[in-house]
Amino acid sequence: DGGITQSPKYLFRKEGQNVTLSCEQNLNHDAMYWYRQDPGQGLRLIYYSQIVNDFQKGDIAEGYSVSREKKESFPLTVTSAQKNPTAFYLCASSTSTNRVHEQYFGPGTRLTVT
Amino acid sequence: LAKTTQPISMDSYEGQEVNITCSHNNIATNDYITWYQQFPSQGPRFIIQGYKTKVTNEVASLFIPADRKSSTLSLPRVSLSDTAVYYCLVDPMNRDDKIIFGKGTRLHILP
Repeated sequence: DGGITQSPKYLFRKEGQNVTLSCEQNLNHDAMYWYRQDPGQGLRLIYYSQIVNDFQKGDIAEGYSVSREKKESFPLTVTSAQKNPTAFYLCASSTSTNRVHEQYFGPGTRLTVT
Repeated sequence: LAKTTQPISMDSYEGQEVNITCSHNNIATNDYITWYQQFPSQGPRFIIQGYKTKVTNEVASLFIPADRKSSTLSLPRVSLSDTAVYYCLVDPMNRDDKIIFGKGTRLHILP
């Protein structure tokens, strides 16, 4: 079964701790994305990666870091520098062919920091 | 980056046809229009995509006028399970350009 997975579904952390959210895809997609969603809001782009070992900042990258060492994996670290980390985090992937890209989303991780 | 504007919320009744309009006045020549659906606590799901005129699939239809400055997502005979947030996006052909999810339209289907 091809798809994109995120784990865990719910994550609780104390303020001041770094936390890493997992995102894995077996769709053979080159591009991967991380979004943040706050209640009643749309999705905001944190980081994206078009190819292995390369990534770019999105609109709200401050306080976050990513790596793209493997095509299948794009973990997101929420650092203690992120002022309001509690949110719903969504990972997505898409092909990098020349045709317009459709993004496939994972189920999301709901992070609560207290 | 082309920005989109769509109604914040809409209500309709089961069995009705629902039309959600989105404006994208500064869409570029090679940009496509894409619509996603999101249920609570889930990731968005691709519904339909088009460039001009009309596109239809098993879920919805997308109408795009000749000037491409707006588009209308049409959901035929909605049911309660169509209650969701619907996002209209301008999808750039240039892969270096990001796509932007706005706040979407919160559609509420009533029995």
